[in-house]
Amino acid sequence: KNQVEQSPQSLIILEGKNCTLQCNYTVSPFSNLRWYKQDTGRGPVSLTIMTFSENTKSNGRYTATLDADTKQSSLHITASQLSDSASYICVVSRTGNQFYFGTGTSLTVIP
Amino acid sequence: DGGITQSPKYLFRKEGQNVTLSCEQNLNHDAMYWYRQDPGQGLRLIYYSQIVNDFQKGDIAEGYSVSREKKESFPLTVTSAQKNPTAFYLCASSVRDRGQAFDTEAFFGQGTRLTVV
Repeated sequence: KNQVEQSPQSLIILEGKNCTLQCNYTVSPFSNLRWYKQDTGRGPVSLTIMTFSENTKSNGRYTATLDADTKQSSLHITASQLSDSASYICVVSRTGNQFYFGTGTSLTVIP
Repeated sequence: DGGITQSPKYLFRKEGQNVTLSCEQNLNHDAMYWYRQDPGQGLRLIYYSQIVNDFQKGDIAEGYSVSREKKESFPLTVTSAQKNPTAFYLCASSVRDRGQAFDTEAFFGQGTRLTVV
């Protein structure tokens, strides 16, 4: 069964601290993995994309990693800001425009 | 600006009424999707369309209907048969899969929050 699981479900951190979000998947055949940020009441926006051959990719303070062998990905946020408070969704694409969504990690950054 | 637009942002429906949610994109994308998002759950696929005049049921199509008469538009009708329609609805679009992994990004609209009163 094609599934995407994220952990933790929710996370509260102090402003300026780092955090890491996890994503495990069983989707096959794998096309790519994206991390999306979704602000409350808004549509998700793509942060990073990881294809099969990529191990790590950065986008500003966001760094994503992918281990295609263990089917795990992580999103590391450095020096968190209040504006990072959002839901972070891991989305795995299968060939043929099929998307599989995790349930998301709700991140709250407090001053 | 290129993008995907959903309207309205908020919608209230009386029980027994049908309502239609609008989704328009000017990204020239072939594929369009409707998802439902409930608290604590991942996005669930309602319907999708890979090309004009063709659409397929997703995981939770019961009580919903769609049409794809134009490439730019993919409206979703929530019918009275949908038992629990209160939710956040997201429309997305993507290029048609051309076998290049970096292509398959879903671009999302800003969502419509539907509430049954």
